[in-house]
Amino acid sequence: EIVLTQSPGTLSLSPGERATLSCRASQSVSSIYLAWYQQRPGQAPRLLLYGASHRATDIPDRFSGSGSGTDFTLTISRLEPEDFAVYFCLQYRSSRTFGQGTKVEMK
Amino acid sequence: QVQFVQSGTEVKKPGASVKVSCKASGYSFDSYALHWVRQAPGQRLEWMGWINAGNGYTKYSQNFQGRVTITRDPFASTGYMELASLRSEDTAVYYCARSEYDGSGYATKKHLDFWGRGTLVAVSS
Repeated sequence: EIVLTQSPGTLSLSPGERATLSCRASQSVSSIYLAWYQQRPGQAPRLLLYGASHRATDIPDRFSGSGSGTDFTLTISRLEPEDFAVYFCLQYRSSRTFGQGTKVEMK
Repeated sequence: QVQFVQSGTEVKKPGASVKVSCKASGYSFDSYALHWVRQAPGQRLEWMGWINAGNGYTKYSQNFQGRVTITRDPFASTGYMELASLRSEDTAVYYCARSEYDGSGYATKKHLDFWGRGTLVAVSS
């Protein structure tokens, strides 16, 4: 099973700041089979990026993704108030497994 | 717009079964696979399996093989997940989610695009 490890567990930032989130895989998932999601309390998870760097429909361009192989990054260039949420990654190269999540909280 | 409406909270005793529903709207139901994912308290999300909403083919995670049954009613645009022999560790929020198919009607190597809001299943004696 491919294990995804996200870091940090919690990121404390202010609106307008840049957020950098990491997702590391225990084995290669290529650059094609990695997605990022946002989840706010009580809401459905929302797809942000797939194929590591492709923004989903209606996702603002302040969200970007990079990486390949085993190391991936989600960057939020300037945090808006609605961006404070939990973010998790998903690999879908071999079955499907998820990272444990990173909480982006307001400082 | 794509939406999923899931059934309400369930409270079950150990050993019982639970069946959660997920009604889809906003797209052609049988043109996408329907997946089930769960999240136990304090744990990461866990993928359970998927169904081809058109022909009913299913694929389950080995972690749930033999205990989970995923079905669908294409006329009602609704998917179902039934989990048997419940234990306290099955207490979780259960989500349905959608993915595309590959060219052969399988949902292998496809990301999940739209999700439901989840159904809480609590297992307690």
